[in-house]
Amino acid sequence: GDSVTQTEGQVALSEEDFLTIHCNYSASGYPTLFWYVQYPGEGPQLLFRASRDKEKGSSRGFEATYDKGTTSFHLRKASVQESDSAVYYCALIDSNYQLIWGSGTKLIIKP
Amino acid sequence: DMKVTQMPRYLIKRMGENVLLECGQDMSHETMYWYRQDPGLGLQLIYISYDVDSNSEGDIPKGYRVSRKKREHFSLILDSAKTNQTSVYFCASEGAGTEVFFGKGTRLTVV
Repeated sequence: GDSVTQTEGQVALSEEDFLTIHCNYSASGYPTLFWYVQYPGEGPQLLFRASRDKEKGSSRGFEATYDKGTTSFHLRKASVQESDSAVYYCALIDSNYQLIWGSGTKLIIKP
Repeated sequence: DMKVTQMPRYLIKRMGENVLLECGQDMSHETMYWYRQDPGLGLQLIYISYDVDSNSEGDIPKGYRVSRKKREHFSLILDSAKTNQTSVYFCASEGAGTEVFFGKGTRLTVV
C-alpha cells in the first residue's frame, strides 16, 4: 500500500540553524503532499501542501518542493527559532482519497 | 471561524468502565476521523466517517466503536475500557481542498 516515511524521529538544533526534515513517499500517480505542525497541547494544523511535480509549498519560513523523481517532499527552513519547537508530520492523500501520515519528527530547538 | 471541538479534554476512567468521547465541527464537513496518538507512534487511525451512518474501520478499530447521527457530531465509544487504551485521542474533519482540521485532543487515562 501507499506510505509516507520520515526517517528522523527527533531533530535537535540551535537557534538560527538550518533545518531539514526528510519525507519520502510511495504512491502511484500524483498524490497531494502535506506538511502539518503540532504544537504542545494542540492538534496538528496544516503548514502547507503541494499537488504537482516541482510545486513548492511554503508558510512561516518553511518550504518544501514536490519531487516526483525522488518521491520526496523534504521540509526546510533557513533559520529556526525556539518557537518552531513542535512535531512535524508529512502526509499524503492518494488516488483513492486515502489520507496517509508519516510517523512524525519532533523538532527541539536549544536556546 | 472553522473549529473542531472535543469534549472532554481530560478524562480518567477505571478499567472496565464505558467511555464516550465527543467531537463536533461547525464546517459541515462530510468526512471525519478519530485518531489516537501515543509517544513514538504518531497518529493511528481508529475510524473514518464519510457522513451520517457511513463509518469505516481504520487501522486499529479493535476495542472501539463510533456513532455519527448528525453530520456535525462524531462520537468515539470504548465499551469496557482497558489500560492499553490510555492515550491522547484526536478528532478531525476534512474540508474542501483536502485540508484536515484537528481538535485539541482528549487525554484519556484508564486506571
